[in-house]
Amino acid sequence: GAGVSQSPSNKVTEKGKDVELRCDPISGHTALYWYRQSLGQGLEFLIYFQGNSAPDKSGLPSDRFSAERTGGSVSTLTIQRTQQEDSAVYLCASSSDGFGYTFGSGTRLTVV
Amino acid sequence: AQSVSQHNHHVILSEAASLELGCNYSYGGTVNLFWYVQYPGQHLQLLLKYFSGDPLVKGIKGFEAEFIKSKFSFNLRKPSVQWSDTAEYFCAVNEGSARQLTFGSGTQLTVLP
Repeated sequence: GAGVSQSPSNKVTEKGKDVELRCDPISGHTALYWYRQSLGQGLEFLIYFQGNSAPDKSGLPSDRFSAERTGGSVSTLTIQRTQQEDSAVYLCASSSDGFGYTFGSGTRLTVV
Repeated sequence: AQSVSQHNHHVILSEAASLELGCNYSYGGTVNLFWYVQYPGQHLQLLLKYFSGDPLVKGIKGFEAEFIKSKFSFNLRKPSVQWSDTAEYFCAVNEGSARQLTFGSGTQLTVLP
């Protein structure tokens, strides 16, 4: 597609439930990133996929967070047993050269 | 760990005023530097980037930034702001060959008509 597509755009979930957030990167972009933006804060790196290499998971805040990228394209970020502190905007970005990111519009997650 | 500091949390200017937003980073090695902008209701967009070469970088919409290595700074400037520049501005850095970016906490710019 023309840009990075994320779904859903908004998600409200109850504390303790699992959620899945989807990212569809720009076709041909080999690098895919997930970031989290909490209210009043900058973006926090979560995880990075590059081609077929093992992902860099160094930013995942806990083992409740996981992500996969199937076929080198679509990625899903899963948060298990959601907590209120997980409420944030989750941003996906893709890149062809690893440096020039294109961001999606994000998924606003609210845990109630 | 690397960190990025944006000194101004909220800046309010009148149209035609000059703008300078500060950005400092902590990493002492080779860095790549970026400014992103997020207009109200829109996604993050790249304003400009510095990889190497001329430390004065020109971006879109009349913005520019200067990399001063000795000061670990990459300040964003615009000589004359417009109401449409109202947005949140983020400075970001990646070190050497790393691909993930470290972002500052952002500066909200409000331009009064």
